Amino acid sequence: GAVVSQHPSRVICKSGTSVKIECRSLDFQATTMFWYRQFPKQSLMLMATSNEGSKATYEQGVEKDKFLINHASLTLSTLTVTSAHPEDSSFYICSAPGQAGEQYFGPGTRLTVT
Amino acid sequence: EDKVVQSPLSLVVHEGDTVTLNCSYEVTNFRSLLWYKQEKKAPTFLFMLTSSGIEKKSGRLSSILDKKELFSILNITATQTGDSAIYLCAVDSGGYQKVTFGTGTKLQVIP
Repeated sequence: GAVVSQHPSRVICKSGTSVKIECRSLDFQATTMFWYRQFPKQSLMLMATSNEGSKATYEQGVEKDKFLINHASLTLSTLTVTSAHPEDSSFYICSAPGQAGEQYFGPGTRLTVT
Repeated sequence: EDKVVQSPLSLVVHEGDTVTLNCSYEVTNFRSLLWYKQEKKAPTFLFMLTSSGIEKKSGRLSSILDKKELFSILNITATQTGDSAIYLCAVDSGGYQKVTFGTGTKLQVIP
């Protein structure tokens, strides 16, 4: 079956630094990928839709200058958290849609900002 | 490697039917199993299950976990067209809240 990987799986960084998270579709091409952030009580928030070859579409309330998304190829999307602050500490998950509308989720990246 | 498998992949039913969605898992360190409903944007949380045999219920939806057999089911009774969505199962494992998602079951309820 289709596999989506994320790297790194966990990262600790200092306040003010930037962190890049990669999302890769390993055996299929994805012109679209989704980035989510998981909040307490298990809810997932869609942050943005990453589009290969064009700008990402951000959800309302998500700062595009803070969360930079680049869909560099048909198998890679990156999320860069710029000037990270402790409140950015969270679990970030990406997904890519399959042909039948199913979603293939990455394993997630745990970001801790100290 | 942690794995969550959902079945069926897709399902078409008529309004009023009852459906059962399946989720089986293999994880190294089980903390909880989560069910979500995804319509357009982010999945919305439905249930969190941690103990075997205890049914969680919300309206026409209910879910139960079997930790011995490593699976969970989500039941929807008297389905309505508004139940059409992708239903996602996820397992939370590990101290860093690693969550492994299944691919989802796409449910379509037709009038």
